[in-house]
Amino acid sequence: KNEVEQSPQNLTAQEGEFITINCSYSVGISALHWLQQHPGGGIVSLFMLSSGKKKHGRLIATINIQEKHSSLHITASHPRDSAVYICAVDGQKLVFGQGTRLTINP
Amino acid sequence: DTGVSQNPRHKITKRGQNVTFRCDPISEHNRLYWYRQTLGQGPEFLTYFQNEAQLEKSRLLSDRFSAERPKGSFSTLEIQRTEQGDSAMYLCASSLGTTGRHNSPLHFGNGTRLTVT
Repeated sequence: KNEVEQSPQNLTAQEGEFITINCSYSVGISALHWLQQHPGGGIVSLFMLSSGKKKHGRLIATINIQEKHSSLHITASHPRDSAVYICAVDGQKLVFGQGTRLTINP
Repeated sequence: DTGVSQNPRHKITKRGQNVTFRCDPISEHNRLYWYRQTLGQGPEFLTYFQNEAQLEKSRLLSDRFSAERPKGSFSTLEIQRTEQGDSAMYLCASSLGTTGRHNSPLHFGNGTRLTVT
């Protein structure tokens, strides 16, 4: 079993829909990162969380340390949100999930 | 602050040759990570430095891979006797890591794309 599991692996939705991407982990962590990678592009940090909830524009990230689970939400999704979203947990070392490929259709 | 810089951006080499990549992290960042990413996959951990100390190296790496960070600033990743399976994007990331719960966000370089023919 991977230390970091993301779901779903692929997600296709229509513009305007509310999107949720989940991340579960099995190791002790000091922080969890949500990252975004556009096709052919570099990786950009969206959030770093150690507890609670953070919001940036239409993006919201939550973490439940007891349940070892985090979610990334996108409100009013837009085609430009199409990208791979990656969860990474920071414990003894950084461990990445396999990513969720999100496609938002107009 | 120019962000994390990686060189070269692209490298094409013949099987059996040695290659070396360089990563210049954000200047005050003490943590530096090397990752490898193949098409459609998430980044795969290779190795990790805190200052000049290499704290962990993936068991997936063969002895052909070596990394250094001699002065705790830039890092190099060398692959000896390259194989076609080494073709991938090699990513470097840095952060300001402290003991305890609060670490800084990750900053990634644009990567070095290696093609072994």
